[in-house]
Amino acid sequence: AQKVTQAQTEISVVEKEDVTLDCVYETRDTTYYLFWYKQPPSGELVFLIRRNSFDEQNEISGRYSWNFQKSTSSFNFTITASQVVDSAVYFCALSIYNQGGKLIFGQGTELSVKP
Amino acid sequence: GAGVSQTPSNKVTEKGKYVELRCDPISGHTALYWYRQSLGQGPEFLIYFQGTGAADDSGLPNDRFFAVRPEGSVSTLKIQRTERGDSAVYLCASSSFNEGGNTGELFFGEGSRLTVL
Repeated sequence: AQKVTQAQTEISVVEKEDVTLDCVYETRDTTYYLFWYKQPPSGELVFLIRRNSFDEQNEISGRYSWNFQKSTSSFNFTITASQVVDSAVYFCALSIYNQGGKLIFGQGTELSVKP
Repeated sequence: GAGVSQTPSNKVTEKGKYVELRCDPISGHTALYWYRQSLGQGPEFLIYFQGTGAADDSGLPNDRFFAVRPEGSVSTLKIQRTERGDSAVYLCASSSFNEGGNTGELFFGEGSRLTVL
């Protein structure tokens, strides 16, 4: 069975601090995809990143960066110099190859960035 | 519109009633997904369509839940004899297929909030 665990339920930081959101996944499949989505108060899930299981290169996009480590089954997300607009619930998700793109979500981490 | 559209945005009903929730996916997207999100939880998979057919309905909780997508575009999630435990936000997403038959990014709608009194 597949599972995604986001152990941090809530995180609160002050603006300009760096923050890392943890994600640990479980699967016996060798080909899979990992995702991060952002859910602002409006409720619509916004795609942030998709990585496949064969690409462990870290990725940076502006203030966002992702660290994928298969050895520890982790796919952590770091926001550098956080801003108030980063306040949202962030979800990590797993999709198994050839299962139709069905996403298995973690419980989410609510990030609050205070001015 | 350009995004996934869901109606109604809010639905309040009484226990035992029948409810329909509608999803209009992004034009040209062949894959359509329904998820349910309870307060403080991540979205939970319900059913996935590829074209008109339900390719995976393993997430439907029981036979009170049913979904259709008769023309391969708009989908309707139907809930019979609603129960208080069905109260949640029902999210719809669509996607286009890419390499190897797998999908990439799922585009989500804003959801339909169902409250069963």
